[in-house]
Amino acid sequence: TQLLEQSPQFLSIQEGENLTVYCNSSSVFSSLQWYRQEPGEGPVLLVTVVTGGEVKKLKRLTFQFGDARKDSSLHITAAQPGDTGLYLCAAGKYGNKLVFGAGTILRVKS
Amino acid sequence: DAGVIQSPRHEVTEMGQEVTLRCKPISGHDYLFWYRQTMMRGLELLIYFNNNVPIDDSGMPEDRFSAKMPNASFSTLKIQPSEPRDSAVYFCASNQLQVNTGELFFGEGSRLTVL
Repeated sequence: TQLLEQSPQFLSIQEGENLTVYCNSSSVFSSLQWYRQEPGEGPVLLVTVVTGGEVKKLKRLTFQFGDARKDSSLHITAAQPGDTGLYLCAAGKYGNKLVFGAGTILRVKS
Repeated sequence: DAGVIQSPRHEVTEMGQEVTLRCKPISGHDYLFWYRQTMMRGLELLIYFNNNVPIDDSGMPEDRFSAKMPNASFSTLKIQPSEPRDSAVYFCASNQLQVNTGELFFGEGSRLTVL
């Protein structure tokens, strides 16, 4: 059983569409991170959310941390082909030990 | 500034051979992590070090896997003997917890294929 469940597993959309991906858990976290990974590279941090209910925006990306700090969502507005990649959420329960969800593979077609 | 450096980028070996993966963390980072990524299991934490000392190796699959960090600028992950099921991309990552609020900086990975 994954500590962090991500959905959907795979998403293929047209350029310009909006989308939301989710990261859910039954555990409470002090913080949660979102990473994007492109083929042949390591994951790169997009954002860290810390406070329940927190909303952070990064250009066309909007991240939300659930009020109970058990879940998070990533919304992309007007997706671009450059948004294509694997989106991973990650959280830690014990010290500096981060666990990752299985990820959402996003493909944006032009 | 140089990021996390891993070598080799690609390794193809035969079952039973020894494999050694190498990592140079970002200078000044006091935590180093080894992850393994596969389609089936995603990104799994194998082991992590703090100030060169192994803190948690509960993710190491079995005794065939071992990791060392002889100094602050170098770590190795060794598989002996290797098996086809070890085929995966192995990532090294580092951070400085108190400064980066837990952000992990990953290398580009070592893609291992065991035939």
